[in-house]
Amino acid sequence: DIQMTQSPSSLSASVGDRVTITCRASQSISSYLNWYQQKPGIAPKFLIYSASSLQSGVPSRFSGSGSGTDFTLTISSLQPEDFAIYYCQQSYSTPWTFGQGTKVEIK
Amino acid sequence: QVQLVQSGAEVKKPGASVKVSCKASGYTFTGYYMHWVRQAPGQGLEWMGRINPNSGGTNYVQKFQGRVTMTRDTSISTTYMELSSLRSDDTAVYYCARDLYSISLDYWGQGTLVTVSS
Repeated sequence: DIQMTQSPSSLSASVGDRVTITCRASQSISSYLNWYQQKPGIAPKFLIYSASSLQSGVPSRFSGSGSGTDFTLTISSLQPEDFAIYYCQQSYSTPWTFGQGTKVEIK
Repeated sequence: QVQLVQSGAEVKKPGASVKVSCKASGYTFTGYYMHWVRQAPGQGLEWMGRINPNSGGTNYVQKFQGRVTMTRDTSISTTYMELSSLRSDDTAVYYCARDLYSISLDYWGQGTLVTVSS
């Protein structure tokens, strides 16, 4: 199985900050990398697919990059509604696997 | 609009089985795979497997092989996930999620809490 490792596990940031989350795969997954946002008690929300393609309706302050084994999710200017847990997920091969999550908290 | 509506919370005893439903609307049910993902309390997301609603074909994570069964009823646009021989560590919120292009999960159900307790 492909292991997905996110860093950091948590971070504190202020509104307006630029935030970057990293996701590393245990082997090359090309660009088969997705990002999701989850708030407490709510199902995950789909943000980015194929490493860098923004899902319809997702604010443009979210962006993704990377290929192979190293990927990043960037929030260019953190908004109050962005405080949540973010997960990466690979769909290169089954079983699909998720990172352990990165919690973005208010500083 | 696309909606996935799941059945309500369940409380089961160890060794029992649970069957969670996921009713889809707003799109062609047989045109998209459906996946099941679970989340234990305070933990991350765990992919369990997927079903092709058109053919009924399934892929399961090996750790659940023999305990999980995913089925569908095309007449009512509903998929089901049944987990047997429940243990306390099966306590989790179970989500169904629609497949997008066989590479991501674009719409999710609201989740069903399954509690396994004696």
